[in-house]
Amino acid sequence: DVVMTQSPLSLTVALGQPASISCRSSQSLVYSDGNTYLSWFQQRPGQSPRRLIYQVSNRNSGVPDRFSGSGSGTDFTLKISRVEADDVGVYYCMQNTHWYTFGQGTKLEIK
Amino acid sequence: EVQLVESGGDLVQPGGSLRLSCVVSGFTFGNHWMYWFRQPPGKGLVWVSRLNGDGSAIYADSVKGRFTISRDDAKNTLYLQMNSLRGEDTAVYYCARDFSDWGQGTMVTVSS
Repeated sequence: DVVMTQSPLSLTVALGQPASISCRSSQSLVYSDGNTYLSWFQQRPGQSPRRLIYQVSNRNSGVPDRFSGSGSGTDFTLKISRVEADDVGVYYCMQNTHWYTFGQGTKLEIK
Repeated sequence: EVQLVESGGDLVQPGGSLRLSCVVSGFTFGNHWMYWFRQPPGKGLVWVSRLNGDGSAIYADSVKGRFTISRDDAKNTLYLQMNSLRGEDTAVYYCARDFSDWGQGTMVTVSS
């Protein structure tokens, strides 16, 4: 099974400051079709998950451009350029190259 | 507008059965992969099962042989039949379309 490891597991950021979350996979996420199936999800308190990013760096419709994804192979990053109060929640990376596996989640709080 | 509404969650004894439903609107079933995920209390997200557009399905090892995913196109409803339930199946269960659209979740508690 592919193991997804996120860091940090907890993040406290001041409003307007940047935030970065790392996600590493135990094996390459490049699929046989050449695509890399790595997504990022946001789960606000008491809400369902919401996909922010798919295939490493593509934003879902309606996602602010403050959110960006990058990386390749086994190392991936979600960046928030300027944290807003609305960004509080838990962020998960998920791979669907080799079935489906989520990271443990990173809890984002405001300082 | 795409909507997914789960129901059927309940308190059930170990070894019991439960069927979850997910009523969808705003899209055609057969054109999409449909999923069930779960989230144990205070923990992270876990994939449970996938139903392909052609009706074929795959399952996580932890539920294989006990859970069955299916759909009724006439009722626009996705199902998850859960048998031989265990304490570790306790979770909020979410249905989702292509990862972009999720329901609000339904709570399943397995306990005596």
